[in-house]
Amino acid sequence: AQSVAQPEDQVNVAEGNPLTVKCTYSVSGNPYLFWYVQYPNRGLQFLLKYITGDNLVKGSYGFEAEFNKSQTSFHLKKPSALVSDSALYFCAVRDRVAAGNNRKLIWGLGTSLAVNP
Amino acid sequence: GAGVSQSPSNKVTEKGKDVELRCDPISGHTALYWYRQSLGQGLEFLIYFQGNSAPDKSGLPSDRFSAERTGGSVSTLTIQRTQQEDSAVYLCASSQLAGDYNEQFFGPGTRLTVL
Repeated sequence: AQSVAQPEDQVNVAEGNPLTVKCTYSVSGNPYLFWYVQYPNRGLQFLLKYITGDNLVKGSYGFEAEFNKSQTSFHLKKPSALVSDSALYFCAVRDRVAAGNNRKLIWGLGTSLAVNP
Repeated sequence: GAGVSQSPSNKVTEKGKDVELRCDPISGHTALYWYRQSLGQGLEFLIYFQGNSAPDKSGLPSDRFSAERTGGSVSTLTIQRTQQEDSAVYLCASSQLAGDYNEQFFGPGTRLTVL
């Protein structure tokens, strides 16, 4: 079965420190991978995605993520965290060769990031 | 251009009543999704429309839930005989057809409270 795991419910980092939000996945084929962010009292926003090519993808607000096929991971990173990065982060995956009902996006349960001043 | 819009933004109803939630996707987007998000929880997939294909209804929690998409654009999610456990934020998203690597654009959601 296809699945996405975000092993940490919450991540706490100090402002200025690097942050990592973890995501691992299980799909039968090669994946498209996404990160979304939900700021407090705001809607979900797309952050970045991996389609093909360079395993390191850069997205909005200084975030980046690295696709690691052997570890089936797509961890979200930022070199220097800001208090304003505090939000709920969701990882999502779609099997690029899936058909029918397996084409929908599979979502992780989310990781709450708290950046402390 | 306009983003995904949803109405109403808030809905308070009594247990047992029916409710309709509306979603206007981004113009030209052929894929439309409904999700449910309970307080502090992740996204729960409900239903997915893709063009003229049969919708993927695999996420609908019971037969009280239904959705339709008219003319390939506006969608309505209907919950019949609402229960207190239906209280949640209902999110709609749309994406372009061209390739499954397209990101989803989310509306602001409808907060449903069932008393």
